[in-house]
Amino acid sequence: QLQLQESGPGLVKPSETLSLTCTVSGGSVSSSNYYWGWIRQPPGKGLEWIGSIYYTGSTYHNPSLKSRVTLSVDTSKSQFSLKLSSVTAADTAVYYCARPVSIVEGYFDSWGQGILVTVSS
Amino acid sequence: DIVMTQSPDSLAVSLGERATIHCKSSQSVLYSSNNKNYLAWYQQKPGQPPKLLFYWASTRESGVPDRFSASGSGTDFTLTISSLQAEDVAVYYCQQYYTTPIFTFGPGTKVNVK
Repeated sequence: QLQLQESGPGLVKPSETLSLTCTVSGGSVSSSNYYWGWIRQPPGKGLEWIGSIYYTGSTYHNPSLKSRVTLSVDTSKSQFSLKLSSVTAADTAVYYCARPVSIVEGYFDSWGQGILVTVSS
Repeated sequence: DIVMTQSPDSLAVSLGERATIHCKSSQSVLYSSNNKNYLAWYQQKPGQPPKLLFYWASTRESGVPDRFSASGSGTDFTLTISSLQAEDVAVYYCQQYYTTPIFTFGPGTKVNVK
């Protein structure tokens, strides 16, 4: 059974870079069948897709965040990562890593538990 | 970009009564070549990640109670809870995947017990 686990600092200072990693078990990040994604949720608000990455390294971003987002995948560690630069308080959110059912079936059936990242000095 | 909207923002329904949530996409998510609507519904309870309820607009995920149903096509979609139970209190989201691997979610509808 696929398991996703987010990890990283829970507190980031304004203007710095938020860095999170998602560790995948029970599945392979190097599979050609899947994209791997990041989704966030500010406290009390809705879901926002951040971006997706394919095992080849091809990336897709939310246009509202694109210039600040860097996605990467490390197949040797079975991990994929998110970096969000120049953070502000508006980036405070629970960050989820998630995987759609397939590269064609883009609904998410696998989610990490989420990690709360607070942007504050 | 496809923008998703939902209505109402919140609703309160008596236990055993029907709850209906609407989702609208700014452009059609019906793919003509396979006649499938690229629309999913999720349920999210506090402190938990979203749980997939429906995909292809009306296909129920395994384990989802049959008091939940979903319908719609093109740009207009509906999620219905036929007889609200206490455990259905949650926020419900729609999501389009017509533009996979680029996705958008609706803003959510909060369902409470009246």
